[in-house]
Amino acid sequence: EAQVTQNPRYLITVTGKKLTVTCSQNMNHEYMSWYRQDPGLGLRQIYYSMNVEVTDKGDVPEGYKVSRKEKRNFPLILESPSPNQTSLYFCASSLSWTGDILHFGNGTRLTVT
Amino acid sequence: GQQLNQSPQSMFIQEGEDVSMNCTSSSIFNTWLWYKQEPGEGPVLLIALYKAGELTSNGRLTAQFGITRKDSFLNISASIPSDVGIYFCAGRDSGTYKYIFGTGTRLKVLA
Repeated sequence: EAQVTQNPRYLITVTGKKLTVTCSQNMNHEYMSWYRQDPGLGLRQIYYSMNVEVTDKGDVPEGYKVSRKEKRNFPLILESPSPNQTSLYFCASSLSWTGDILHFGNGTRLTVT
Repeated sequence: GQQLNQSPQSMFIQEGEDVSMNCTSSSIFNTWLWYKQEPGEGPVLLIALYKAGELTSNGRLTAQFGITRKDSFLNISASIPSDVGIYFCAGRDSGTYKYIFGTGTRLKVLA
């Protein structure tokens, strides 16, 4: 089944403790992206990747890192999480950066205390 | 970052009623997507629109790409309880190819 898989689904952590949220897609998509979803703000792009080893900042990149060493994986790294990074995170992919449809994972709900 | 204006923010309707929601933008888009998000799940694509004026249906759902390329609407006919969820639009900016998302319409259907 074609899908975008995120792990973990839920994560509670403390301020300053490094964490990684994994994202994997099995559709051979070139384009992958991370979003955070907060009430009243809609989905905001954190980072995106047009292909392997090509990443760029989105609208809200501060406090986040990403890497794209393989086509299928696009992990999101929080080196020193803070409470304002408490949010619902979604990974998405599409065939190419000009490709049409974004396919979303099921989300990771992160709480930073 | 830029956001779309999506309205209404929420709707409470009776089962069987029709629903209409829309998104407007100051930018021209070359693609409009409509998604549904249920609690604990990721957004699922409902309808994709690629040309100005395009009208596309998916079962009881109908969406249109506005002629000005700056708006889109989604209609749901004869609503049922499982239509409950958050519906949001996404527009692809014709210059940057970047997707911009609406803030969502929360739909509740009363049986």
